[in-house]
Amino acid sequence: ERVMTQSPATLSVSPGETATLSCRASQSVKNNLAWYQQKPGQAPRLLIHGASTRATGIPARFSGSGSGTEFTLTISSLQSEDFAVYYCQQYDWWWTFGQGTKVEIK
Amino acid sequence: EVQLVESGGGLVQPGGSLRLSCTASGFTLSSYWMIWVRQAPGKGLEWVANIKQDSSDKFFMDSVRGRFTISRDNAKNSVYLQMNSLRADDTAIYYCATLGVSYNYGYYSYYMDVWGTGTTVTVSS
Repeated sequence: ERVMTQSPATLSVSPGETATLSCRASQSVKNNLAWYQQKPGQAPRLLIHGASTRATGIPARFSGSGSGTEFTLTISSLQSEDFAVYYCQQYDWWWTFGQGTKVEIK
Repeated sequence: EVQLVESGGGLVQPGGSLRLSCTASGFTLSSYWMIWVRQAPGKGLEWVANIKQDSSDKFFMDSVRGRFTISRDNAKNSVYLQMNSLRADDTAIYYCATLGVSYNYGYYSYYMDVWGTGTTVTVSS
């Protein structure tokens, strides 16, 4: 099983600043890595697939990078609607999710 | 508008059964692998089961194999999850989703693309 580990668990950021979220895989998942955003009471929403490809309708302030075992989601110029929980997920071998990073208002 | 809507959740006693439905609107579900994902209260997300477009392939996570079945009716633009012998640890919000596909490194891989709104299953006496 590919174990996904996200850090930090909680990230406190001021609106307008940049948030950097990390995700590590226990073994290489190549670029088969997706990021999802989940707000309270809502379903997850796909942000990024292929480690760096934005999904349809996702603003350019969301960017993904990395390959193999180390991945990063960067949210530039944080907007109020961006405060949420973010999950990484590998889909190289079945599917496993990280435990999530909560981005909260500082 | 592209949308998936789940239904059929509720409160059930341990050992009981439920059938979840997921119906698509705004697109044709028959073009996609479909997947069920669940999220236990305050916990993370985990894959439950998935089904190929023509129902020829079905896969399950270890803890539900033999208790859950997955099916689809493309004519009704719907996918289903039949859950039997339910246990307390099956308590969760259940989401259905389409699987998007990418082809790299000589094989296809699938990510969860469009998600439904979710339906809550509570297993308790």
